[in-house]
Amino acid sequence: AQSVTQPDIHITVSEGASLELRCNYSYGATPYLFWYVQSPGQGLQLLLKYFSGDTLVQGIKGFEAEFKRSQSSFNLRKPSVHWSDAAEYFCAVGPSRASNYKLTFGKGTLLTVNP
Amino acid sequence: GAGVSQSPSNKVTEKGKDVELRCDPISGHTALYWYRQSLGQGLEFLIYFQGNSAPDKSGLPSDRFSAERTGGSVSTLTIQRTQQEDSAVYLCASSLAGTSGSYEQYFGPGTRLTVT
Repeated sequence: AQSVTQPDIHITVSEGASLELRCNYSYGATPYLFWYVQSPGQGLQLLLKYFSGDTLVQGIKGFEAEFKRSQSSFNLRKPSVHWSDAAEYFCAVGPSRASNYKLTFGKGTLLTVNP
Repeated sequence: GAGVSQSPSNKVTEKGKDVELRCDPISGHTALYWYRQSLGQGLEFLIYFQGNSAPDKSGLPSDRFSAERTGGSVSTLTIQRTQQEDSAVYLCASSLAGTSGSYEQYFGPGTRLTVT
């Protein structure tokens, strides 16, 4: 069964600092990996995705993530955080035909940005 | 273009009442999903519709939960005899999964259900 672990429940960074959010997955085949962001009271917005090819993927809002098969990781990074980045971030694995394309999410990492 | 829409945005109901939550997917998306987001449980898959195929109901937590999708578009999630543990945000998503190979799921804003 597929699973996702986000080890950090809550991270606080200062505005302008760099950011890395960790994500580890368990999956029996080549995974499809996603990062979503959720602002308070909002739905989920897709930041970026990895299907195949280049292991460093670029997303919206200046985010990037790197797929490392050997570490089963897909960490999200941003070189300089803005106050508007404060939100909850979810890593997800899937979908696959075998799983009927449903996403399995991590528990999320809440990001607080200090001025 | 229009994204996924859900209604109502908030619903407060008394324990034991039935509720219906509605989802309008993105036009042309053949796949539709319901997820539940609750404290302590995170985001959980509930049900998946793809075209005219039988839905994948493997995530529904009990037989009080049901969903239908009419005409391959709008979906309704029904919870009968609501319990306090049903309080959560119910998210709907749609995608082109299984057809063009585009697997990205686009989420609606959710319905916050509170059972008192």
